Amino acid sequence: DIQMTQSPSSLSASVGDRVSITCRASESISTYLNWYQQKPGRAPKVLIYSASNLQSGVPSRFSGSGSGTDFTLTISNLQPEDFATYYCQQSYSTFKYTFGQGTKLEIK
Amino acid sequence: EVQLVQSGAEVKKPGESLKISCKGSGYIFTNNWIAWVRQMPGKGLEWMGSIYPSDSDTRYSPSFQGQVTITFDMSITTAYLQWSSLKASDTAIYYCARRVPFGSDNWLDPWGQGTLVTVSS
Repeated sequence: DIQMTQSPSSLSASVGDRVSITCRASESISTYLNWYQQKPGRAPKVLIYSASNLQSGVPSRFSGSGSGTDFTLTISNLQPEDFATYYCQQSYSTFKYTFGQGTKLEIK
Repeated sequence: EVQLVQSGAEVKKPGESLKISCKGSGYIFTNNWIAWVRQMPGKGLEWMGSIYPSDSDTRYSPSFQGQVTITFDMSITTAYLQWSSLKASDTAIYYCARRVPFGSDNWLDPWGQGTLVTVSS
């Protein structure tokens, strides 16, 4: 199975900061990589699909990049509502989806 | 609006059976795979399996094969996840989600609100 490793596991930042979260796949997955945001007590929500495509309705301060095995989610100008947990997910193996372990973004 | 609405929280004893549901609306339900995802307390997301309502093709993660059954009722556009004998380790939130195809790629959107299953003696 393809393993997904996110770093860091947790991150403290302030409103207005720019932060980046990385996700590494155990083998090449081209751009078959999605990013989700999960707030406490809520279901995950897709932010970025196919590595770099912004889901409709998601603010443009979110961006994604990467291909192969290394990917990055960047959030510019952090807003209070962005403090949440973020997960990457590979869709290269459609019937063996795997997620990263999550990155918790907290207010400094 | 595309929506998946799940059944409510459940409290069960070890050894009991359970079936939870996920009702779709706002799109042609039979045309998209539905996935089930587990989130254990304080932990991350694990794909359990997926079903294609159009032909009931079902795929399971090896970790969940034989532990759960995924089904679908086309007449009420509802997918189900069921256990025949629950264990304490099945305590978790279970989400359903629609697989959205995009060329050769895909992602999960939207997600149901989640069903909390608590198994305790």
